[in-house]
Amino acid sequence: TQLLEQSPQFLSIQEGENLTVYCNSSSVFSSLQWYRQEPGEGPVLLVTVVTGGEVKKLKRLTFQFGDARKDSSLHITAAQPGDTGLYLCAGGRNSGYSTLTFGKGTMLLVSP
Amino acid sequence: GAGVSQSPSNKVTEKGKDVELRCDPISGHTALYWYRQSLGQGLEFLIYFQGNSAPDKSGLPSDRFSAERTGGSVSTLTIQRTQQEDSAVYLCASSPRRAGGRETQYFGPGTRLLVL
Repeated sequence: TQLLEQSPQFLSIQEGENLTVYCNSSSVFSSLQWYRQEPGEGPVLLVTVVTGGEVKKLKRLTFQFGDARKDSSLHITAAQPGDTGLYLCAGGRNSGYSTLTFGKGTMLLVSP
Repeated sequence: GAGVSQSPSNKVTEKGKDVELRCDPISGHTALYWYRQSLGQGLEFLIYFQGNSAPDKSGLPSDRFSAERTGGSVSTLTIQRTQQEDSAVYLCASSPRRAGGRETQYFGPGTRLLVL
């Protein structure tokens, strides 16, 4: 069962364009993380959001956690070729110990 | 300091052979995780260690898969009698404390396994 659905699966854009990727679930999570993975490497954490409605900004990246804590979005302004990679969302729960549930990811390709 | 390291980087094996994949977590990290990443499938959780114990091994796909961790540090994932569907990238991650939704997981570069 895939608890976290990411869309789109693949996105190819030109440098300078804006884009939004989505992470949706029917389940409530206590936290939501976004990772970026470049070819041949492991994922690297970008942000953790924990409060419904929370918005966090990381330079040109804006992350939002839905009010009901079931969904999240990542918006990139003026995309750069260096933003190319696989973007993964991961949901966590804080009861006892909690391992993360990952989505399948959105592959972003930014061309010069 | 050093990050999570994994070895080998690449492994090609024949169907039916056993393979061992190694993970060296960040020093002092008590939690260690193994994932499998196949094309189009995202990260599939395999097993979680807290210290040397594995409170969650629910993701191991069959009894051909096993893992151990010794000294609260190095972990080995063993796949016996490999099958072609085992071909994937096997990722290891560690975090400072027990698994939790807000913990940052630090990933290694992965081992790319190809079963012919």
